[in-house]
Amino acid sequence: DAKTTQPNSMESNEEEPVHLPCNHSTISGTDYIHWYRQLPSQGPEYVIHGLTSNVNNRMASLAIAEDRKSSTLILHRATLRDAAVYYCILRDRVQGAQKLVFGQGTRLTINP
Amino acid sequence: DAGITQSPRHKVTETGTPVTLRCHQTENHRYMYWYRQDPGHGLRLIHYSYGVKDTDKGEVSDGYSVSRSKTEDFLLTLESATSSQTSVYFCATTQGPTNTGELFFGEGSRLTVL
Repeated sequence: DAKTTQPNSMESNEEEPVHLPCNHSTISGTDYIHWYRQLPSQGPEYVIHGLTSNVNNRMASLAIAEDRKSSTLILHRATLRDAAVYYCILRDRVQGAQKLVFGQGTRLTINP
Repeated sequence: DAGITQSPRHKVTETGTPVTLRCHQTENHRYMYWYRQDPGHGLRLIHYSYGVKDTDKGEVSDGYSVSRSKTEDFLLTLESATSSQTSVYFCATTQGPTNTGELFFGEGSRLTVL
């Protein structure tokens, strides 16, 4: 399975944008890039996903490098509720079973 | 909310005893997963199921077995619990093998093996 690399932790201030990087240099052509986050004492929740083009939804934006070897999750205006561990995951479109492999993620701290 | 219920939510047991964790879903999702989460390791896949009676091993399957006799239920069994299996266990489900299918997680089951 292709792996992802994320910084262990990041810190930002409330109401400022946050850019969470993810490297996936061994990504294959059939891998989609997914992001999940885990709030304290909860199960992970889906944030966003993409293949090649940048994606936006109500929670965040996903910027994907042209060579697809890296991506950035963008929180446009962080709130205290965005403090969580963020996981960048590659998901193979071809495989029949959905075996997501979570790394250790990035722990995001938001300062008031 | 995919209607995922894990039970029990908390359990304390002794080494050598059998333990079964249950994951129940109401969305008729085909795929179900069991993960464990430990400090410093993130989430690690134990077993998964791609249909009734169809299961396969994940990366940390030793000491665990699973069963899926109905679409809505996925059971994780520790035949003889050990202290190394103290962890938080998460169940997850997804609709099918599509790239857009998000994974829905339960709230977790905290297991302590003394």
